[in-house]
Amino acid sequence: DVKVTQSSRYLVKRTGEKVFLECVQDMDHENMFWYRQDPGLGLRLIYFSYDVKMKEKGDIPEGYSVSREKKERFSLILESASTNQTSMYLCASRNPGLASRRDTQYFGPGTRLTVL
Amino acid sequence: GENVEQHPSTLSVQEGDSAVIKCTYSDSASNYFPWYKQELGKRPQLIIDIRSNVGEKKDQRIAVTLNKTAKHFSLHITETQPEDSAVYFCAASNGGGADGLTFGKGTHLIIQP
Repeated sequence: DVKVTQSSRYLVKRTGEKVFLECVQDMDHENMFWYRQDPGLGLRLIYFSYDVKMKEKGDIPEGYSVSREKKERFSLILESASTNQTSMYLCASRNPGLASRRDTQYFGPGTRLTVL
Repeated sequence: GENVEQHPSTLSVQEGDSAVIKCTYSDSASNYFPWYKQELGKRPQLIIDIRSNVGEKKDQRIAVTLNKTAKHFSLHITETQPEDSAVYFCAASNGGGADGLTFGKGTHLIIQP
């Protein structure tokens, strides 16, 4: 079974703080993704990484950055948190080399971030 | 980029009846269409997916149909049960690339006893 974990289920931060959200997968997946989920808006892609040290902007990258120094770990960074970044953050991973499931994304449990 | 529209936003059906959720997409290059189910407080879980070389796929009570010409795909759940109550998301991507998924906004399915 694929296991994707996130460092915190709930997080409360203050405006202007630097925030790190961590995601770890244990299945040697090459691709990793960060989404945010907001009511009525579905899931929106923030950043993704198709391999170590690689990163690509998604649909809503403003105010975020990412880091992928090791294959199993993908970090989302809020350089200066703002109230409009209060949201549920979901990490996902994918193994494009597995023919039968090359497109399947496996999600972590999510981190609910509140910025006060 | 890709844009995915999903309808309805809320769907209430009697237990045992069928439920249908519809999505349209804009990018003709998209060729992978998954459906995720998200129960309250839990992570999205893949329930079924389809690639553009197939028109229909079925897995027990769940089926997905794809019309490439019209750029729409639908989720069909038959003989609905209380445990089918959840939010369902459709998505699209250019499978084979490393791109992320573009999701619809979700459908809250309510199964009435």
